[in-house]
Amino acid sequence: DTEVTQTPKHLVMGMTNKKSLKCEQHMGHRAMYWYKQKAKKPPELMFVYSYEKLSINESVPSRFSPECPNSSLLNLHLHALQPEDSALYLCASSQGPGLYGYTFGSGTRLTVV
Amino acid sequence: GESVGLHLPTLSVQEGDNSIINCAYSNSASDYFIWYKQESGKGPQFIIDIRSNMDKRQGQRVTVLLNKTVKHLSLQIAATQPGDSAVYFCATLDGEYGNKLVFGAGTILRVKS
Repeated sequence: DTEVTQTPKHLVMGMTNKKSLKCEQHMGHRAMYWYKQKAKKPPELMFVYSYEKLSINESVPSRFSPECPNSSLLNLHLHALQPEDSALYLCASSQGPGLYGYTFGSGTRLTVV
Repeated sequence: GESVGLHLPTLSVQEGDNSIINCAYSNSASDYFIWYKQESGKGPQFIIDIRSNMDKRQGQRVTVLLNKTVKHLSLQIAATQPGDSAVYFCATLDGEYGNKLVFGAGTILRVKS
């Protein structure tokens, strides 16, 4: 298995809702990442998990809460989002932090209404 | 931090012609560069990479050139096909431990049949 799987593919949520994005990989990668991508912009790093521990938080608002239950799974919990948080959220993994071979999922298209 | 940018936001080429996409970077200590292709509705897909101890690397129909003197890299696509239409990003590893994958602004490649 050489894929990163993200669910759901699309999500519409209200500003008072709580939802979660899920990411899964079975390549034995020990680093996992969340990126946010606005339309016609490059992906921007949000969080880095290394060996299931949060190693980088790029000053992301607390309404985004990452979680890494095990080495194969990465979640992003969403609460009280704003319309400007609407974007494509991408998950990626690599063999280790700073190692080559990043693999990206297809993303979750999030719309906040 | 690293800054990676592109010269041309949009490139239109005729099917069968060669395409050249350019990228400039600012950190002379960067030692690893990657080109990604992103099609609509998908995550970034790895195309080719190059380390700073090389100045050229070839793949299938693609070549990456690295000029460390002027901090510039380019992606050449031979015999461009309609399926090559996408957004192309250059990226490099940044951060204290080189564990932050940072993307350039992106170039839209449109292939005319």
